[in-house]
Amino acid sequence: EVHLVESGGGLVQPGESLRLSCTGSGFTFSNYWMKWVRQAPGKGLEWVATIYKDGSAEYYVDSVKGRFTISRDNAKSSLYLQMNSLRAEDTAVFYCVVGGNVGGWGQGILVTVSS
Amino acid sequence: QAVVTQEPSLTVSPGGTVTLTCGSSTGAVTSGHYPSWFQQKPGQAPRTLISDTSNKHSWTPARFSGSLLGGKAALTLSGARPEDEAQYYCLLVYSGDGEVFGGGTKLTVL
Repeated sequence: EVHLVESGGGLVQPGESLRLSCTGSGFTFSNYWMKWVRQAPGKGLEWVATIYKDGSAEYYVDSVKGRFTISRDNAKSSLYLQMNSLRAEDTAVFYCVVGGNVGGWGQGILVTVSS
Repeated sequence: QAVVTQEPSLTVSPGGTVTLTCGSSTGAVTSGHYPSWFQQKPGQAPRTLISDTSNKHSWTPARFSGSLLGGKAALTLSGARPEDEAQYYCLLVYSGDGEVFGGGTKLTVL
């Protein structure tokens, strides 16, 4: 069974940084693209970033380019999202997602940016 | 980045059939957009129903199917059940330029 577990969320002030982690199990982590998706309170889903299987390519939504960095450690079956210069509008539940024929989602982790 | 459009809301009768669609501001949706469909119920994480246009997962009920229809991606529900009432999102991949979710369709079974 596929499991994705996010960690590292919490309350931060505007301008601060936070690093999210996601550990996957139940599938061969290194074989799949991984992505982060977020959902602001009461809003729809927003794709944030995707990273290729070996980490050689990364893609970001325009609103986080230059502030967020997605990375992975296949040896640890782990995905990361380094978030810098956080803004109030980044407040959301962040989900770790594996695509392809696995199609799994984590339970989500809340990030709150507020002074 | 592109805009992906979905019907804001749809209603289907129990046992009925409904088709949700997913369009792109850049033109016709093709298999190269790798359309995916997700279901989200209140207070829950989303779950993937359909990947790569029409591929189901082990947990996807047989009454759901994915296709391309009239230049859009489509999710068809045949034989709606009360537990299918949820928010449905599509996701399109734009090669080299990221991915975009649609705004979601609130499906009511009534």
